[in-house]
Amino acid sequence: AQSVTQPDIHITVSEGASLELRCNYSYGATPYLFWYVQSPGQGLQLLLKYFSGDTLVQGIKGFEAEFKRSQSSFNLRKPSVHWSDAAEYFCAVGALNNNDMRFGAGTRLTVKP
Amino acid sequence: EADIYQTPRYLVIGTGKKITLECSQTMGHDKMYWYQQDPGMELHLIHYSYGVNSTEKGDLSSESTVSRIRTEHFPLTLESARPSHTSQYLCASSERQGAGGELFFGEGSRLTVL
Repeated sequence: AQSVTQPDIHITVSEGASLELRCNYSYGATPYLFWYVQSPGQGLQLLLKYFSGDTLVQGIKGFEAEFKRSQSSFNLRKPSVHWSDAAEYFCAVGALNNNDMRFGAGTRLTVKP
Repeated sequence: EADIYQTPRYLVIGTGKKITLECSQTMGHDKMYWYQQDPGMELHLIHYSYGVNSTEKGDLSSESTVSRIRTEHFPLTLESARPSHTSQYLCASSERQGAGGELFFGEGSRLTVL
């Protein structure tokens, strides 16, 4: 079965600074990879997903992520963080014909003024 | 914007009470899910459904039960709540079979059992 590790529990960045959130997955075949964001008191919203093709994927709100098979990683990036980006971010991995999507434990992002 | 709704958003009840968490979606999705979310932990799948009259248990053992009598409705029931059931419960739906489809989440139901 697949699994996901998000090594950083909590990250603090200054507004306007760049951001990278790490995600490592474990799965024997080609994974389906996702990043979700959860604002306080809200459900999870999809930021972006990777199924195949170009390994650099663009998402909503100016986020992008890069799939690196050799490193089993799918890190999320944003060049300039806004205060409204403060939230919890979850990486998830799924698989073709598998009804189970595995989520990481999440990374909480704090944005300093 | 996703059209999936959960009620109640917040619930505080005493031990031994029966509770039902409601989840409805207006997107016509066949697949629906219940996840349990605790701080600092990964989301755990506790139930899912492929469609009407189909329900399956997820990877996390749960004393809750679910039903799927209508496509749009997927309630979760605890017959006798205990403090260990205190958690946030997230309902989700997806269009496609397998994990290829995006999950649409409700806003969650935060349950506290005293």
